[in-house]
Amino acid sequence: GNSVTQMEGPVTLSEEAFLTINCTYTATGYPSLFWYVQYPGEGLQLLLKATKADDKGSNKGFEATYRKETTSFHLEKGSVQVSDSAVYFCALSNDYKLSFGAGTTVTVRA
Amino acid sequence: DTGVSQNPRHKITKRGQNVTFRCDPISEHNRLYWYRQTLGQGPEFLTYFQNEAQLEKSRLLSDRFSAERPKGSFSTLEIQRTEQGDSAMYLCASSAGGRTEAFFGQGTRLTVV
Repeated sequence: GNSVTQMEGPVTLSEEAFLTINCTYTATGYPSLFWYVQYPGEGLQLLLKATKADDKGSNKGFEATYRKETTSFHLEKGSVQVSDSAVYFCALSNDYKLSFGAGTTVTVRA
Repeated sequence: DTGVSQNPRHKITKRGQNVTFRCDPISEHNRLYWYRQTLGQGPEFLTYFQNEAQLEKSRLLSDRFSAERPKGSFSTLEIQRTEQGDSAMYLCASSAGGRTEAFFGQGTRLTVV
């Protein structure tokens, strides 16, 4: 079956630091890969996605590249801000339903 | 478009009582999903509708759980004879079909005491 393993948190960073959250997956076929973000008090929002190998998803300064050979989809941002403090979820989908990782809590300090 | 709306936002109930949650998807979306999220975990798939047809139910959805989507619009999730283990955030999402983005509501937080 499908599963997603992501880096355990919590992660605490200073403003302008580099952020990386590791995500690896197990899936049949060729899934689409996603990063969702949940800001405090808000619902899940799609941050970025990639639908095939070597695709790079990007949004709000975040990037992730679909690596089929390593079954990975690591999230990176070069310079984080306090407003990036949130819980980040890696997810995959073969068709209609999403399989999520456990989430990584990121706190950025000014 | 106001996004996916869920009601109530919070529900506290006594063990053994029945509860019902409502989800209003984005109006043109034909697919609707229910997920459950417990503390420190990612959301887990419960069930999925395409229009009014319920096409898949997870093994997580015991006989005490039932979901409906009459007329292919809003959906309800009912839990009968609630147990403390049912305490969780229940999330609804909708999408336009195919491999398109799923939009999530803010969830209903259920606490069973």
